Amino acid sequence: GAVVSQHPSWVICKSGTSVKIECRSLDFQATTMFWYRQFPKQSLMLMATSNEGSKATYEQGVEKDKFLINHASLTLSTLTVTSAHPEDSSFYICSAGTRGRSGELFFGEGSRLTVL
Amino acid sequence: GENVEQHPSTLSVQEGDSAVIKCTYSDSASNYFPWYKQELGKRPQLIIDIRSNVGEKKDQRIAVTLNKTAKHFSLHITETQPEDSAVYFCAPQINFGNEKLTFGTGTRLTIIP
Repeated sequence: GAVVSQHPSWVICKSGTSVKIECRSLDFQATTMFWYRQFPKQSLMLMATSNEGSKATYEQGVEKDKFLINHASLTLSTLTVTSAHPEDSSFYICSAGTRGRSGELFFGEGSRLTVL
Repeated sequence: GENVEQHPSTLSVQEGDSAVIKCTYSDSASNYFPWYKQELGKRPQLIIDIRSNVGEKKDQRIAVTLNKTAKHFSLHITETQPEDSAVYFCAPQINFGNEKLTFGTGTRLTIIP
């Protein structure tokens, strides 16, 4: 199956700093990537849809100025949590798909963010 | 948007017994019905899926049944094993592929040895 890689797998940062998480499709080109957030013992909630070469589409309630998404190439999307606060501590997961393949979505390993 | 609920939210079964998790959805246009398994701290993994033109699909110990009229589909795990312990999510979709997923509320399954 296709491989989607996230980096870093975990990160600890101080309140007020910014953190960048990368999502890469390693063996296919992903025209669309999705970013999810998962709080402990809860479901995955979609934050935004990242489209290569255009602006991301954010879900209702997600601050686009706080969660910056860039999809600069067909293999890389980045999520930057700006001015992170403890309430941003969560598990962030990306998924990627492409119309050229079966259409199945593939998930990254996830990135656990802890803001002190 | 799609409203997706799962029942039960937690389920404990004795090893070797069967487990059934039900997913109800609101959008009658949904036509692709996957189930994901997520172990603690790991990514969700697709374990089985079904399309709306069939009512049941089986893969070894795992099966999915679909009732489109009633807008629900269920995950069946037989002969459960300790490694089946995980959180299971359904994620009904309108179109297969390149579609943002609305995950169900999740079911924590614990297999008791």
